[in-house]
Amino acid sequence: QQQVKQSPQSLIVQKGGISIINCAYENTAFDYFPWYQQFPGKGPALLIAIRPDVSEKKEGRFTISFNKSAKQFSLHIMDSQPGDSATYFCAANLNNAGNMLTFGGGTRLMVKP
Amino acid sequence: GAGVSQSPSNKVTEKGKDVELRCDPISGHTALYWYRQSLGQGLEFLIYFQGNSAPDKSGLPSDRFSAERTGGSVSTLTIQRTQQEDSAVYLCASSLHVNQPQHFGDGTRLSIL
Repeated sequence: QQQVKQSPQSLIVQKGGISIINCAYENTAFDYFPWYQQFPGKGPALLIAIRPDVSEKKEGRFTISFNKSAKQFSLHIMDSQPGDSATYFCAANLNNAGNMLTFGGGTRLMVKP
Repeated sequence: GAGVSQSPSNKVTEKGKDVELRCDPISGHTALYWYRQSLGQGLEFLIYFQGNSAPDKSGLPSDRFSAERTGGSVSTLTIQRTQQEDSAVYLCASSLHVNQPQHFGDGTRLSIL
């Protein structure tokens, strides 16, 4: 059962543009939603995270928007740069079930110069 | 400070052999997780250790997989009688406590011939 669905699978954006990646979840008990960035040959690195008591969180060029009623959350990368080219994973966590993360399928982002 | 360290970074072995993968978590982190990243299945949770509590083994795919964590620090993931479908990147993560952000190592790329 895929509990976190991520789209698109791949995304091409011009330098300076906005990259938008969407995730939807099924389990309403999820209460922590991180985004990870992964470069080839490296492990995922925590980028930004949100809890369902807020609708938006911004850190630099990265913003998470959260819609609890729709069970959706998204990552916006403003002023996208070639160095942002990586695979992005959304995830969700169920605190009372051991804190393991359930990941989306990933989005491969390419930012063209 | 050092991040999560995993060894070896790459492992090639023949089908049927046993393998051991090692994880050194960030110093002071009480929670440790193993995940598997493969092309077909994405990022999957395997097992979780928290302090001295019994591990959550709910993600282990078969009884050929086991893990231990000695002294609340280093962990070893063991795969017995390896199969070709075990080929994947095995990622370890640690967090300061339960419900804290998880930080990943760069993984061990396991190839079963």
